[in-house]
Amino acid sequence: DAKTTQPNSMESNEEEPVHLPCNHSTISGTDYIHWYRQLPSQGPEYVIHGLTSNVNNRMASLAIAEDRKSSTLILHRATLRDAAVYYCILREGGSEKLVFGKGTKLTVNP
Amino acid sequence: DARVTQTPRHKVTEMGQEVTMRCQPILGHNTVFWYRQTMMQGLELLAYFRNRAPLDDSGMPKDRFSAEMPDATLATLKIQPSEPRDSAVYFCASGFLRQGSNQPQHFGDGTRLSIL
Repeated sequence: DAKTTQPNSMESNEEEPVHLPCNHSTISGTDYIHWYRQLPSQGPEYVIHGLTSNVNNRMASLAIAEDRKSSTLILHRATLRDAAVYYCILREGGSEKLVFGKGTKLTVNP
Repeated sequence: DARVTQTPRHKVTEMGQEVTMRCQPILGHNTVFWYRQTMMQGLELLAYFRNRAPLDDSGMPKDRFSAEMPDATLATLKIQPSEPRDSAVYFCASGFLRQGSNQPQHFGDGTRLSIL
């Protein structure tokens, strides 16, 4: 399975932007980059995904490096509700499977 | 918003007992997944179904675990006999997926299982 590397933890202040990095140096051309998050005592929740171009939705933005070996999830204004574990996942072309790593635990300070 | 519903939310039982966890996927979704989450191993895929047919159960211990979809509105995961090492949070997810699709998976809130 394709691998991703994320920092174990990050901290942010409320109402400030947050940039969550992910390295995926062995990504293949057909791998999509997916982000999920898991709030305490809940199941994972889809955030965003992309292939080559940057993507925006109501929850976040995804910035993908030109060589696709890294990406960054951007939360434009963090709220306390954004405190969660964020998972960066490579979804292999043709596969429905998600392989979760350890993710980044984001703490948001009031 | 439509949600994946899992029951029970919590289950405590003694080792050796049969455990059945249930999942109601979102109406119209054709693919159902079972995951297990522990502190040590994180989130692991156990098995998944497409249109009620098992597609992959390679992540599931075969001797004591079984997964079925009796109908399109119900997926079950059974453990018999249960062991303390089965203690974990079990998540069900569903999605409208086909090969190559990037549609998201929608997760339930899990069943927290404790085997004494």
